[in-house]
Amino acid sequence: NAGVTQTPKFQVLKTGQSMTLQCAQDMNHNSMYWYRQDPGMGLRLIYYSASEGTTDKGEVPNGYNVSRLNKREFSLRLESAAPSQTSVYFCASSRTGGVKSYGYTFGSGTRLTVV
Amino acid sequence: GIQVEQSPPDLILQEGANSTLRCNFSDSVNNLQWFHQNPWGQLINLFYIPSGTKQNGRLSATTVATERYSLLYISSSQTTDSGVYFCAVETSGSRLTFGEGTQLTVNP
Repeated sequence: NAGVTQTPKFQVLKTGQSMTLQCAQDMNHNSMYWYRQDPGMGLRLIYYSASEGTTDKGEVPNGYNVSRLNKREFSLRLESAAPSQTSVYFCASSRTGGVKSYGYTFGSGTRLTVV
Repeated sequence: GIQVEQSPPDLILQEGANSTLRCNFSDSVNNLQWFHQNPWGQLINLFYIPSGTKQNGRLSATTVATERYSLLYISSSQTTDSGVYFCAVETSGSRLTFGEGTQLTVNP
């Protein structure tokens, strides 16, 4: 199994450019997430999707949009990139039952630099 | 929102030494996870441990939910244990709130 696959692995953007980060999981998980990790910090939640057709804001949603395309795929879009969005982006998925999650799996990350 | 504090922020060990990493959290949680981020950036779940004690090889973890802390024990450390260890808690739904991590370096 591939688990969680993110593309691209690296990207350099100019300020104001747009791009979409792609994420797909093959574990039949119902929940998917986008996190960002800045140097020396833990991960912070940008957006999440508890199930196909639903999305909700996390801790740091400003400047981002998401689309849960189907159960497998969850994309993150930067409409107008800013230097403050330079970060490493992680997609994750989990199976959610009741109030707990199981099988939390992270992709390998996308290193984004905005100049 | 909930606060998650990890200590120590940095830890340097000689191969073969034991260590204890601590995670304090400010409110009751539905679940708690420990992750290892290797030097290539990959995050691997080590434990789901909302309460009690679990062991997996040289690693074990204990969470005392009533006192709002968790401990990760690493015994007989190896160079491959190097990386960042994160504690993450689940409160509402399945969203995780991460601590800032403990950077572990194991020297040969």
